[in-house]
Amino acid sequence: SQTIHQWPATLVQPVGSPLSLECTVEGTSNPNLYWYRQAAGRGLQLLFYSVGIGQISSEVPQNLSASRPQDRQFILSSKKLLLSDSGFYLCAWSLGGNNQPQHFGDGTRLSIL
Amino acid sequence: AQSVTQLGSHVSVSEGALVLLRCNYSSSVPPYLFWYVQYPNQGLQLLLKYTSAATLVKGINGFEAEFKKSETSFHLTKPSAHMSDAAEYFCAVSRASGSARQLTFGSGTQLTVLP
Repeated sequence: SQTIHQWPATLVQPVGSPLSLECTVEGTSNPNLYWYRQAAGRGLQLLFYSVGIGQISSEVPQNLSASRPQDRQFILSSKKLLLSDSGFYLCAWSLGGNNQPQHFGDGTRLSIL
Repeated sequence: AQSVTQLGSHVSVSEGALVLLRCNYSSSVPPYLFWYVQYPNQGLQLLLKYTSAATLVKGINGFEAEFKKSETSFHLTKPSAHMSDAAEYFCAVSRASGSARQLTFGSGTQLTVLP
């Protein structure tokens, strides 16, 4: 069966520091991969998605970037964190196809000080 | 463009009572619809999905949802609430974007179950 791993689970970073969050999927090949941010008490905002290695689409221009160096690895990065980058970051994967649901990792709680 | 609206950001029910969480969608094409549940500090877990087969969809944990095209609704129900059902619930609609299917999420409904 397929599994998705995200780490770290929690992270506290100072303003201006870099960021790297990692997500890996097991048990499937060539998944679609997604990064979301969930601000406190709010819904999910899609940040990036990828349909293949090196293919990244950005939904919202901002301080973050994403990379997909391997088929089942998705990385969210920032060179300099802002206070507004605080939130709950979720990685998800799906199969291709019109009716496929997305499956989520357990998330990373990011606090910026 | 596809969108979903969840009516009621907070819903409270007594343990054993009916759970009804409302979701209305807007879609220019036949939609694919999903319900997810999120427990505190966890990711989203798929409860059920509608993909144009049966209009009444049964999911995990005793939940079900009925697709009503005439009402553009996909409400989530459970006959008898459990304390363990307390969580946030999200309705989502699938939309096409380039070569990937995206999900547009509603703003969520926080369900509280009272003893």
